[in-house]
Amino acid sequence: EPEVTQTPSHQVTQMGQEVILRCVPISNHLYFYWYRQILGQKVEFLVSFYNNEISEKSEIFDDQFSVERPDGSNFTLKIRSTKLEDSAMYFCASSSGETYNSPLHFGNGTRLTVT
Amino acid sequence: GDSVTQMEGPVTLSEEAFLTINCTYTATGYPSLFWYVQYPGEGLQLLLKATKADDKGSNKGFEATYRKETTSFHLEKGSVQVSDSAVYFCALSRFSGGYQKVTFGTGTKLQVIP
Repeated sequence: EPEVTQTPSHQVTQMGQEVILRCVPISNHLYFYWYRQILGQKVEFLVSFYNNEISEKSEIFDDQFSVERPDGSNFTLKIRSTKLEDSAMYFCASSSGETYNSPLHFGNGTRLTVT
Repeated sequence: GDSVTQMEGPVTLSEEAFLTINCTYTATGYPSLFWYVQYPGEGLQLLLKATKADDKGSNKGFEATYRKETTSFHLEKGSVQVSDSAVYFCALSRFSGGYQKVTFGTGTKLQVIP
């Protein structure tokens, strides 16, 4: 079964550094998402992306965050200047969007640790 | 806006006990409802879904019925196993402005002891 893959599985960075989290969604999917989960807490929506543009973003997704689909397969999340509170598990998800009830398919996540 | 409320965890049960995890939602329109499961160290996996009122989703012995009158989608399993230990997330999905929007509950951790 096709799956969403994320790399790296764990990223450690120093405060103020830029990080890029990478995702390869399922190939025929059209809708892409980033969520994050601070340890032991809820899954929080960051951003959705469709037709090469952001569909919606949460208040967490400020100017330090950006997303890109640089080619036909990758979907990246960039944090320009990381803060300690950005430490979390980041999940990429994709959906075919064929129907309104198409489920999201999630990757296994990237654990980001900001020191 | 949309919201999903789940019961607080953790829920600790003995093997073969009956499980209920409550979930209620608030949304405009007619959302689809999902349960996702997150095993330790892994991402979220779809467990089951229901797309309209009175639909029952089921998978791996888990069931949930879409109750529009009570805006609920409670997860149940008749006999839990140790391998069911995980975090369970209730979620709703609807199309808004031409794209799919998914809202998650806070998650309920289930611990099943032998």
